[in-house]
Amino acid sequence: GAGVSQSPRYKVTKRGQDVALRCDPISGHVSLYWYRQALGQGPEFLTYFNYEAQQDKSGLPNDRFSAERPEGSISTLTIQRTEQRDSAMYRCASSLWENQPQHFGDGTRLSIL
Amino acid sequence: KNEVEQSPQNLTAQEGEFITINCSYSVGISALHWLQQHPGGGIVSLFMLSSGKKKHGRLIATINIQEKHSSLHITASHPRDSAVYICAVSSGGGADGLTFGKGTHLIIQP
Repeated sequence: GAGVSQSPRYKVTKRGQDVALRCDPISGHVSLYWYRQALGQGPEFLTYFNYEAQQDKSGLPNDRFSAERPEGSISTLTIQRTEQRDSAMYRCASSLWENQPQHFGDGTRLSIL
Repeated sequence: KNEVEQSPQNLTAQEGEFITINCSYSVGISALHWLQQHPGGGIVSLFMLSSGKKKHGRLIATINIQEKHSSLHITASHPRDSAVYICAVSSGGGADGLTFGKGTHLIIQP
């Protein structure tokens, strides 16, 4: 299909390892958003891009979290030195431009042992 | 930072009932979104609105900018409407990431 694609769907890793989560937005969508959703909670904003430019990273919890979108399409969210509290569903969304309906991917379920 | 409050947190109703879910926010916004999250976890955008009212099938969303309040209505509710309904707001202009309410868990019994 032509929806937002995230990979991997599930990631289990040991505490202290680095992880990279990938998001492939809908073709032609300029804006790309990353959110995190803990079990039983609502999503919370992490960061977003317009094209390759990171517009707002105020939601990234600390400097272990970073994101890039080097060619203005696929984005990678990287978490260094993972901790158990990083366990959550990480969701990506894209939209044609800012202030437009957002289309969500199915998410990556991250579990840190 | 915008505070988004939803009510009720949980709602159980009988099939056919008229459902209302409320959302209020604390700071001016560029748009308000209503989202639906199914038990399988996927999130679908239902509405995005910045003024007035929108209707899609049995769903109606309204917003009152002056009162910083929005409602989502479901007419002739059906068990397949059972899901978590989430209100979210965006400020736009470089701060377009969504701020989410905690969601309303709706169960429609046959």
